[in-house]
Amino acid sequence: KAGVTQTPRYLIKTRGQQVTLSCSPISGHRSVSWYQQTPGQGLQFLFEYFSETQRNKGNFPGRFSGRQFSNSRSEMNVSTLELGDSALYLCASSPDSNEQFFGPGTRLTVL
Amino acid sequence: ELKVEQNPLFLSMQEGKNYTIYCNYSTTSDRLYWYRQDPGKSLESLFVLLSNGAVKQEGRLMASLDTKARLSTLHITAAVHDLSATYFCAVAGQNFVFGPGTRLSVLP
Repeated sequence: KAGVTQTPRYLIKTRGQQVTLSCSPISGHRSVSWYQQTPGQGLQFLFEYFSETQRNKGNFPGRFSGRQFSNSRSEMNVSTLELGDSALYLCASSPDSNEQFFGPGTRLTVL
Repeated sequence: ELKVEQNPLFLSMQEGKNYTIYCNYSTTSDRLYWYRQDPGKSLESLFVLLSNGAVKQEGRLMASLDTKARLSTLHITAAVHDLSATYFCAVAGQNFVFGPGTRLSVLP
């Protein structure tokens, strides 16, 4: 069974730009969650989607948004990038909101 | 608001020794998870603990959950260098909340 895939793996952007990250969950998993990992703040929950609906949302500004498609693939978008948005963005899929399986992550650098 | 703490945050130990990592959380939950992360890598699921008194073991690692004390432990037996990594606990409330992680270094 293929694992969670995330694209791109690495990304360099400049302040003010926007970025879209993609996540394909494990086949059959309908829940996709996104996390931001930084050395200073650790792992922080961004949002969770289940069957194309946002089910939970963390404490991030509105510049961070996401969506899920009918095939369960998910995208997250960050607009008006700031230096502090540099992080590893992790996507996790779950069949039932219990155990989560993480993708390799997208490392975003904002210059 | 659910808060998750871990201690210690840094742990340096010699091969062959035993040690325990503690994970405390602030509100009621009976779902707790342990993950391992190697430098520059993603998170690997180690244990899923879904009830009070749950105990899981895999190799040199054993995890337990006490929901009444809101405490989980990850016990390392006879550590080896390959266990060097950062270990996270995560508690399921409305969403997953992760602890700060314990960076473990096992020295020869």
